Amino acid sequence: AQTVTQSQPEMSVQEAETVTLSCTYDTSESDYYLFWYKQPPSRQMILVIRQEAYKQQNATENRFSVNFQKAAKSFSLKISDSQLGDAAMYFCAYRSTMNYGGATNKLIFGTGTLLAVQP
Amino acid sequence: KAGVTQTPRYLIKTRGQQVTLSCSPISGHRSVSWYQQTPGQGLQFLFEYFSETQRNKGNFPGRFSGRQFSNSRSEMNVSTLELGDSALYLCASSQSGQGLAYGYTFGSGTRLTVV
Repeated sequence: AQTVTQSQPEMSVQEAETVTLSCTYDTSESDYYLFWYKQPPSRQMILVIRQEAYKQQNATENRFSVNFQKAAKSFSLKISDSQLGDAAMYFCAYRSTMNYGGATNKLIFGTGTLLAVQP
Repeated sequence: KAGVTQTPRYLIKTRGQQVTLSCSPISGHRSVSWYQQTPGQGLQFLFEYFSETQRNKGNFPGRFSGRQFSNSRSEMNVSTLELGDSALYLCASSQSGQGLAYGYTFGSGTRLTVV
């Protein structure tokens, strides 16, 4: 079974600075997808960035980028030029490409990292 | 484009009662998944529906059930509520593609409190 681990329960960053959130996962599969989701106090999970395991190039979305190390099973999120609106709980998630006998959209989440942004 | 709509937003129930939560996905999305979020267990997958069929199920007791209608709207039901069922229940919809990395769109959840 796949597992996702986020070892930093809480992180803090100064506004305009850079912060990196860690995520490791365990899987025996070679093809899968990884995601970072943000959950602000409004409770809605918002997709921040995603990475296909077969792509070696790290994904980037504006101020958000990942460092994907497939061999090490590591998937960290870097937030540059942090803004007050970035304060939220961040979840790393794994999705297999296949369920037994068919496709699946099941996500396996880590426990989350609560990010505070100091003005 | 309307987002994922979950109703109700808040719910208070008594132990032993049953509850039904509703999720309306984004138009055109055929896959709906449900997650339970608690401080102790985090986010746990409940089940996934695609074209009215349950495609995947998490490790929850039989008191938790769901269904999906022909318009892709989904409901989940919890019977004989227990205090431990108090949680935020999140619904997510997605286009479904085998091997494609579609992201989910989540709703804002239903906060269920069992007293």
